[in-house]
Amino acid sequence: DTAVSQTPKYLVTQMGNDKSIKCEQNLGHDTMYWYKQDSKKFLKIMFSYNNKELIINETVPNRFSPKSPDKAHLNLHINSLELGDSAVYFCASSQIETIPTYTGELFFGEGSRLTVL
Amino acid sequence: DAKTTQPPSMDCAEGRAANLPCNHSTISGNEYVYWYRQIHSQGPQYIIHGLKNNETNEMASLIITEDRKSSTLILPHATLRDTAVYYCIVKYGTPLVFGKGTRLSVIA
Repeated sequence: DTAVSQTPKYLVTQMGNDKSIKCEQNLGHDTMYWYKQDSKKFLKIMFSYNNKELIINETVPNRFSPKSPDKAHLNLHINSLELGDSAVYFCASSQIETIPTYTGELFFGEGSRLTVL
Repeated sequence: DAKTTQPPSMDCAEGRAANLPCNHSTISGNEYVYWYRQIHSQGPQYIIHGLKNNETNEMASLIITEDRKSSTLILPHATLRDTAVYYCIVKYGTPLVFGKGTRLSVIA
């Protein structure tokens, strides 16, 4: 069974469109994250949710809106896609023993490669 | 987070030990040292972490100097499947912040 699964794995779309990437974890973790890996291979955190509540929101355009219907799911919706949004998006989860120590190991999904034309 | 410095790339012969260094001279007393790796096109994978003492698990060993200003990740018997980018991260109180890492190439 896949611990952290993302769909779709590949997404090709036109500029200006709206798209979503879904993430689900079956590890029973209480915290989920979205990371972005750009063409230069830098991994940057975008958002973090703990028990469905937003706890980290890095400097990300308002066009990106995470949604956590329950603690096992964290979806990423992107409005008005731009060329610069092309990247691989990774979802991750962890069990936070206490906040704010964040010492829990992160488990990553396989990534969703978004290409904006 | 304290910054880390890693060599951009390293080679290792298959079957030999791979020793990946990391400098973190400004590490704070409560910051942990984490190692993750990313095999091509896959999500990052946790390897090991430690605070002060040396640590060992089924994947690797982590050696932290007494002054905690540097550490070494050791893969005791590198295989071709260990070819990846290895990230050394120090942190406390925030999620993982990835640097550029070391690209390890294991050569047959």
